[in-house]
Amino acid sequence: GAGVSQSPSNKVTEKGKDVELRCDPISGHTALYWYRQSLGQGLEFLIYFQGNSAPDKSGLPSDRFSAERTGGSVSTLTIQRTQQEDSAVYLCASSFSTATNEKLFFGSGTQLSVL
Amino acid sequence: AQKITQTQPGMFVQEKEAVTLDCTYDTSDQSYGLFWYKQPSSGEMIFLIYQGSYDEQNATEGRYSLNFQKARKSANLVISASQLGDSAMYFCAMRGSSGGGADGLTFGKGTHLIIQP
Repeated sequence: GAGVSQSPSNKVTEKGKDVELRCDPISGHTALYWYRQSLGQGLEFLIYFQGNSAPDKSGLPSDRFSAERTGGSVSTLTIQRTQQEDSAVYLCASSFSTATNEKLFFGSGTQLSVL
Repeated sequence: AQKITQTQPGMFVQEKEAVTLDCTYDTSDQSYGLFWYKQPSSGEMIFLIYQGSYDEQNATEGRYSLNFQKARKSANLVISASQLGDSAMYFCAMRGSSGGGADGLTFGKGTHLIIQP
């Protein structure tokens, strides 16, 4: 596709269940980013991939969060044993490179609601 | 570490007036980029304008311009002739050169701009 695609667009789950969020970046973009945006707040950086590797996972809020990227393309963000505080919009973005002048292209996000 | 500060949580502006959204930043990087994004109520993040740390001229993109004052570490967004469709959240962000760009963009908390008819 032409842009960053995220699925599902909305996810409602029960506390304690696992969820998987998917991101399909723009073709050819080597860098992929996950952010979290709570209601009315700014963007919180979660994790970054260069190719398939994630050099720094320290932004993940807890060990219930994990992410992977395969084939240098699609990425999945998995949240295990979801808690109500995990409710937020999860945004994925990609860029052609990590140069300082490279803008990030964002997907439409996944709205996660944990009941 | 990088930090973006946006001191205006919300702004009300009359249609057709110009508006300035404030942004200050803090970084130890010599090379960095500054970005502004717009987020309407639909939630999408729309890129507006970019300014490089070594750019001598202020960036402009249509009705958007960036008032870059490097010594003051300030990168204010100016929207000329505001329109009702400009109502949205506006985020200032920066991308530094340290760490190879591992952090992507660091964002401010945003300014909620409301254009009144």
